[in-house]
Amino acid sequence: DIQMTQSPSTLSASVGDRVTITCRASQSISSWLAWYQQKPGKAPKLLIYKASSLESGVPSRFSGSGSGTEFTLTISSLQPDDFATYYCQHKGTFGQGTKVEIK
Amino acid sequence: QVQLVESGGGVVQPGRSLRLSCAASGFTFSSYAMHWVRQAPGKGLEWVAVISYDGSNKYYADSVKGRFTISRDNSKNTLYLQMNSLRAEDTAVYYCARDRVLEVVVVVAAPWYMDVWGKGTTVTVSS
Repeated sequence: DIQMTQSPSTLSASVGDRVTITCRASQSISSWLAWYQQKPGKAPKLLIYKASSLESGVPSRFSGSGSGTEFTLTISSLQPDDFATYYCQHKGTFGQGTKVEIK
Repeated sequence: QVQLVESGGGVVQPGRSLRLSCAASGFTFSSYAMHWVRQAPGKGLEWVAVISYDGSNKYYADSVKGRFTISRDNSKNTLYLQMNSLRAEDTAVYYCARDRVLEVVVVVAAPWYMDVWGKGTTVTVSS
């Protein structure tokens, strides 16, 4: 089975910061990767699919890149609404999550 | 608007059964594969099962295989998860989610991006 490993587990940042979250696959998954945002008590929200395609309605400050085994989610300028937990996903496997906290 | 509403959660004893439902509205339910995803308290997301748009193909996480059954009734726009032989470790919020790709024929070959989610229903397995 393919394992998905995110880093860091927790990230402290300030409004306006550029934030990068990494997701590594245990073997090549081409570009078959999605990113989700989840806020406490809420359902996940799809942000990025196929590694770099922005889901409709998602702000352009979110971007995804990578292929093969290494992927990144970047928030170009962190906004107050972006403090949440982010998950990468390849088919039936989610990463363990990265919590973005206020510094 | 596009909406998924889960129901059927509750408190159940270990070894007992429970059936979850997910009512879909605002889109052509019969054209999309559907997923169940769960989240144990304080933990991350765990994919549980997927069913193709026509119900012909189903896949399960190893942790629930042989105990859980995913099904759908396209005439009622409803997705189900029958959970048998429940264990304490099945305690979680259960979400249903729509697959982003339309009318996937071979669901195992699809990327399984989930673009619409319900709010979840809570299942607690405890004696």
